[in-house]
Amino acid sequence: DSGVTQTPKHLITATGQRVTLRCSPRSGDLSVYWYQQSLDQGLQFLIQYYNGEERAKGNILERFSAQQFPDLHSELNLSSLELGDSALYFCASSEKTGRLRLDGYTFGSGTRLTVV
Amino acid sequence: GENVEQHPSTLSVQEGDSAVIKCTYSDSASNYFPWYKQELGKGPQLIIDIRSNVGEKKDQRIAVTLNKTAKHFSLHITETQPEDSAVYFCAASEVRGNTGKLIFGQGTTLQVKP
Repeated sequence: DSGVTQTPKHLITATGQRVTLRCSPRSGDLSVYWYQQSLDQGLQFLIQYYNGEERAKGNILERFSAQQFPDLHSELNLSSLELGDSALYFCASSEKTGRLRLDGYTFGSGTRLTVV
Repeated sequence: GENVEQHPSTLSVQEGDSAVIKCTYSDSASNYFPWYKQELGKGPQLIIDIRSNVGEKKDQRIAVTLNKTAKHFSLHITETQPEDSAVYFCAASEVRGNTGKLIFGQGTTLQVKP
């Protein structure tokens, strides 16, 4: 157990629907990062939050949004789902951010989203 | 922003042989380079990392080297075992913009044949 908890582990939904993926970071970690991993693809950075505030955005679609709550858990919302959104979605956390962060993230075990 | 290229995309070796995976990065300001191992159905797991003020780091059968001038770093696995079979990702920490986010390479699928 890495200490980063992602729920649900699996999600099957229809096109056009909306889903919410949840991430609880490791205790003491203030920074949360979301990544998308499609079949045969690497880890594509979506968005980062640090202590409740958005810090960086990657190639995140307008249909996707995220937030980090006061208790530091984060949610990734995916709406108007398309077949191409089927992927593994990983959350990672770290204690620090920016130039101060010289350690690796800790990843959760991911949510596998299947859009049918 | 930072860009990381990783080679090869697949690597097959015999048990006991060595495996080498190479990565290049684009931003000379990047200061931290971790390597992750991802087994089937699991999240990536940090296996070794190196900071920009160090040229080489070893941990048992795994070593990482960094050449800042050439902007490339490599993962070396010696005496490979079947349980080393997995997807390996290199990454570089993006310093500009002060986000600290990691930019990953495309991954290398390592197969160790018994």
